[in-house]
Amino acid sequence: SQQGEEDPQALSIQEGENATMNCSYKTSINNLQWYRQNSGRGLVHLILIRSNEREKHSGRLRVTLDTSKKSSSLLITASRAADTASYFCATDSATGFQKLVFGTGTRLLVSP
Amino acid sequence: DVKVTQSSRYLVKRTGEKVFLECVQDMDHENMFWYRQDPGLGLRLIYFSYDVKMKEKGDIPEGYSVSREKKERFSLILESASTNQTSMYLCASSSLTVPGYGYTFGSGTRLTVV
Repeated sequence: SQQGEEDPQALSIQEGENATMNCSYKTSINNLQWYRQNSGRGLVHLILIRSNEREKHSGRLRVTLDTSKKSSSLLITASRAADTASYFCATDSATGFQKLVFGTGTRLLVSP
Repeated sequence: DVKVTQSSRYLVKRTGEKVFLECVQDMDHENMFWYRQDPGLGLRLIYFSYDVKMKEKGDIPEGYSVSREKKERFSLILESASTNQTSMYLCASSSLTVPGYGYTFGSGTRLTVV
């Protein structure tokens, strides 16, 4: 049951530019989370936004959530080469047990 | 530093072998999860557990079983490995009493079945 779908599948930018990734989901949620995965490694939790929040910031990260459109966006400002990774959104369903459903991810390449 | 530790980074097993993937967390988390990750398919949930000796099927449990005899350890078992189980396996844990603070993942085990 694939819940989240990220867009674009791949993104290539220069250092210093902003990167925006989008996520759409299908059912009501308690919260939406974003994770980063460096090549061949485990995922790292970046930020969580609850269903009653519209925007959240953490350092260079800005996440928005539009529950009416069932969509979220992740903005990374002033990108660095070290931001090169895959980024996944994950949703925690409003019903049932707390378990996350992940999207297929956006591959971000930041060139020096 | 809190951790989820997976016992192997890389494994190569033969078709038909019984395979054990071990995961240990040191955060006293109630919930533990096993996902597999395949290109183009993202992460898919195999099994999860919210307490010792409790287990629940995820989206793709066929061909797998799990064991949780202690709170900190969650094992994934491939009863008879097949080539279509070649994948990256990711273990994660989270708190039941403090929900919504994200999962902590292990580094993953890349399993190749030949």
